[in-house]
Amino acid sequence: EVQLVQSGAEVKKPGESLKISCKGSEYSFSTNWIGWVRQMPGKGLEWMGVIYPGDSDSRYSPSFQGQVTISADKSISTAYLQWSSLKASDTGMYYCARPTMIRGVIITIDSWGQGTLVTVSS
Amino acid sequence: QSALTQPPSASGSPGQSVTISCTGTSSDVGGYNYVSWYQHHPGKAPKLMIYDVTKRPSGVPDRFSGSKSGNTASLTVSGLQADDEADYYCSSYAGSNNLGVFGGGTKLTVL
Repeated sequence: EVQLVQSGAEVKKPGESLKISCKGSEYSFSTNWIGWVRQMPGKGLEWMGVIYPGDSDSRYSPSFQGQVTISADKSISTAYLQWSSLKASDTGMYYCARPTMIRGVIITIDSWGQGTLVTVSS
Repeated sequence: QSALTQPPSASGSPGQSVTISCTGTSSDVGGYNYVSWYQHHPGKAPKLMIYDVTKRPSGVPDRFSGSKSGNTASLTVSGLQADDEADYYCSSYAGSNNLGVFGGGTKLTVL
């Protein structure tokens, strides 16, 4: 069974940097896209972006382009979501997710991580 | 505001059936047969319940079924059980320049 295990909750101040992680197991990490989905408090889900660990090809939703960096280290089967300068509006739950891609498009998400709560407050 | 519209809540008694709707546009739900439904128990990882509008992954009970008419997709849960109480989210493919869109979620309560 595919497993995606995320790093623990974080409490940060505005302006600080942060990198959260998601370790995949029980599947070929290098040859499957993996991505991040945001859920702000009381709101729905939003795709942030995805990455192909095999060659680090990445795609971002327009709302998140330039705001975050998605990366992956295939040697340790781990994907990352990184902020260089957090804002209070970055507060939310962040899920890593393994999409099923067909001909380069996301059809569904077949596996999810348990979520990482990020709180940004002064 | 989420791209897809779901009712915030739904409820039913054990053994009954409940249907949750997910309304989009011809650019997402209505234009493609790539609608998915996810079950989320708070504190746990969301779980894929339906994909490609009507297909169930291995291990998902056949009490869960999906359908679509026009720009609205639906998830029906038959024979409600206590463990079905969770949040349910729909998603849809929305074109080649989009990673996909989600609904705002529906909290299903088993009375």
